[in-house]
Amino acid sequence: QVTLRESGPALVKPTQTLTLTCTFSGFSLSTSDMCVSWIRQAPGQALEWLARIDWDDDKYYNTSLKTRLTVSKDTSKNQVVLTLTNVVPVDTATYYCARTPLEWAAFDYWGQGILVTVSS
Amino acid sequence: IVLTQSPRSLPVTPGEPASISCRSSQSLLHRNGKNYLGWYLQKPGQSPQLLIYLASNRASGVPDRFSGSGSGTDFTLKISRVEAEDVGIYFCMQVLEIPSWTFGQGTKVEIK
Repeated sequence: QVTLRESGPALVKPTQTLTLTCTFSGFSLSTSDMCVSWIRQAPGQALEWLARIDWDDDKYYNTSLKTRLTVSKDTSKNQVVLTLTNVVPVDTATYYCARTPLEWAAFDYWGQGILVTVSS
Repeated sequence: IVLTQSPRSLPVTPGEPASISCRSSQSLLHRNGKNYLGWYLQKPGQSPQLLIYLASNRASGVPDRFSGSGSGTDFTLKISRVEAEDVGIYFCMQVLEIPSWTFGQGTKVEIK
């Protein structure tokens, strides 16, 4: 059974760094062609893809956020970590992690999401 | 790549068919012959769920009343007979070129 769960702070102040952890089970990120992505959704808005980390540690970032995003993995712990630096109120959103098998080029399992509010 | 969904709002009658269009500003047809477009449904208060991948492949557990079609720049999601549980926001997403993956703006489906 594949599950993913996001964890992290619900509230961060402007200019701070947001760190989110995706803890997953039911699959291995060391399996060839397996990836994990981060996606966010501002309140009432569309989805926005943020980043992807691959089984071979390749990393990809949304071009518009590239300078502020970092993604990493700990395969032994089945965790993927996303950091977003210098947050601003428009970064307020629900953040999701999702399994991304390259064969399907799609997000087949999603976490429940974590709402992060950026406010002083 | 910009994806444009239409309509943005779709009132539906249970038992009737429904259709959503997703148009891409660039072709999503890869040289390998696959169209890199997926469809997702976000039910109220839930995380999105995968319906269709690579334009026309139903994800595991997705009812066969859902179907995806299209190629290049024009894609369609069809529901053969809408059920009450199908309400929510439907998103298309292109995954042709990393790191430029993008979603459509969404189509809200609600019961009349």
